[in-house]
Formats: sequence, C-alpha cells, structure tokens
Amino acid sequence: GEDVEQSLFLSVREGDSSVINCTYTDSSSTYLYWYKQEPGAGLQLLTYIFSNMDMKQDQRLTVLLNKKDKHLSLRIADTQTGDSAIYFCALASGGSYIPTFGRGTSLIVHP
Amino acid sequence: DTAVSQTPKYLVTQMGNDKSIKCEQNLGHDTMYWYKQDSKKFLKIMFSYNNKELIINETVPNRFSPKSPDKAHLNLHINSLELGDSAVYFCASSHPRDSQAFFGQGTRLTVV
Repeated sequence: GEDVEQSLFLSVREGDSSVINCTYTDSSSTYLYWYKQEPGAGLQLLTYIFSNMDMKQDQRLTVLLNKKDKHLSLRIADTQTGDSAIYFCALASGGSYIPTFGRGTSLIVHP
Repeated sequence: DTAVSQTPKYLVTQMGNDKSIKCEQNLGHDTMYWYKQDSKKFLKIMFSYNNKELIINETVPNRFSPKSPDKAHLNLHINSLELGDSAVYFCASSHPRDSQAFFGQGTRLTVV
C-alpha cells in the first residue's frame, strides 16, 4: 500500500467540525505536516507537529498524533466554505528530510 | 515578494519538444525540490537538491533533469516531451533541517 494514506473525500456542513485523517507506515517520521491546496493554487503549509508531540492547537486547527497507531489527524473547528480545498498530509524523516505526501483529502463544505 | 516563484504558470507544447520550467526562491533555503502532481492530485517527489547532493527519484525518466545555477534557483529541463508528462509541476524549498517546504504556485504543463 501507499506510505501515506488519506481518505479521498470529506463532506461537512458549514459550522460543523471537520476531521481529516492520515495513516502512515514510516515509524521514523520526525516531521508531520498538513498542507492546504485551493483550486488552481500551490500548496500552503497549514500546520505541523513534531514526532515528540501528541497534540498541537492553532486557532481553529487541532493536530493529533498517535504514534503507536501511526495516525495523524487534522480537526478544523467551525468549518467555513472558505475551508473547501484539498488537504494533504506530509511526512519527513530525520534521514532524508524530503516530505512524502498522501493523496490528499478533498474537503467539501456545504451550507 | 513571492517566496517561491515558478515560470511559466502555463505551458502548452507539442510532443517531442524540449522545455524548461524555472524556479527561484528568496527564502535563503538550502534545499529545493521538484514535485509532479498528476490529474488525480497525487504529489510525487521528482528531485531533491541542495548544494551538496542531488537525490533523484529513480522512477523519474532521465528525460527530466534539474539544473541549479545557484542556491536560489532550481530549473527543470524536460527533453522529448511525451503526452504522459502532462501534469502540474511544483517547485518547493526548505531549510534542510526542518523540511517545512514552501511551494510555488505550480506550472501546468500540457503536452499535445
């Protein structure tokens, strides 16, 4: 299977919370990132977490890391239509530092 | 000022042609990358380059070659373009020790 896996689609109602999940295989992953890609645009780094952390909160964004299960999640509180985009999970290990990306989750926010 | 800039933004060319995509970063980063994003949005690393080392994804055809005239630039040259090369190509840069990659806006390459 893929080194980094994500669900392809997530649909939520405006105002609800969104949770985007990511699982990975490389237990040596040191840096774990979430990127956002809006239509026709490049990738924007949203937030990141180091492997020695369990959680990081940044305004409406909460990142949770479960190293035992190799599971990373991104929670977006009070999801807005402007949050509609593709969200990529990316990981890098201390060896190569080259980010490896998941296939991205398309978040669709409807009124 | 744009941190990572790529030119051109769109490139339409015929099969068999040779083309280049330019990338410049003003972040002072040591490491630059080229990624290919296919029609299903899958991002795959093509090259990673700093002033010491070029790491090539072995699945990348040798028709693709990165060229770095200096630390702030990493251009992508593609020879003998094929239909399957159509994709969006992203340049990125990072400091080598934290790999927080900053991306350009992408170059949409269409081979006809």
